[in-house]
Amino acid sequence: QSVLTQPPSVSAAPGQKVTISCSGSSSSIGNNYVSWYRQVPGTAPKLLMYDNNKRPSGIPDRFSGSKSATSATLGITGLQTGDEADYYCVTWSSSLISVVFGGGTKLTVL
Amino acid sequence: VQLQESGPGLVKPSETLSLTCGVSGFTLKGGYYWGWIRQPPGKGLEWIGSIYYTESTYYKPSLRSRVTISVDTSKNQFSLNLSSVTAADTAIYYCARHLLHVEMTPVRGYFDYWGPGTLVTVSS
Repeated sequence: QSVLTQPPSVSAAPGQKVTISCSGSSSSIGNNYVSWYRQVPGTAPKLLMYDNNKRPSGIPDRFSGSKSATSATLGITGLQTGDEADYYCVTWSSSLISVVFGGGTKLTVL
Repeated sequence: VQLQESGPGLVKPSETLSLTCGVSGFTLKGGYYWGWIRQPPGKGLEWIGSIYYTESTYYKPSLRSRVTISVDTSKNQFSLNLSSVTAADTAIYYCARHLLHVEMTPVRGYFDYWGPGTLVTVSS
């Protein structure tokens, strides 16, 4: 059972917008930065967002991140079939003194 | 920056799993932590631990009693030892560069470069 809670799956049609939520606590998301990763099955995860809402070089602005209180959200607009992947949120837990991962969300572009 | 995991793909139960991550294009002394993350087949990602070149380490609490991460700056590589393995330790093991600033509030951290991963199976 993950310290961070994500929906197991989300889906939307091509061109539409989708959001993926990540719920934590005051000792995790509430007081630390969040990062997001995308993983195509069979490949290594890739950094998608860091410091809650910053995109690494090469990540298009269709991807956005936000944080409010003890939850974080990844947004993807203009969905493409190539966006199908598993998405993970990550932060630091000040109570556990540990990195914590969300359980992952499978995005399906219908 | 490139990372590459190496080590046995098969480990017997109760033995120690040992992996090494070779780093090229960046020095281990460059101000980052270096981490290990694993993924059991069909499941999510799990952080194991991270190390700084000064040998400062952070481990996942539930694995701390079995995990040792070490660093060899002369070879620009770091290693993972996981003792007393069981079938539950079967996973793809990834190494990654880990920016981690725990002295800050909020704590800042992310994994920006990853190795391709290596599958380790625990079986007799």
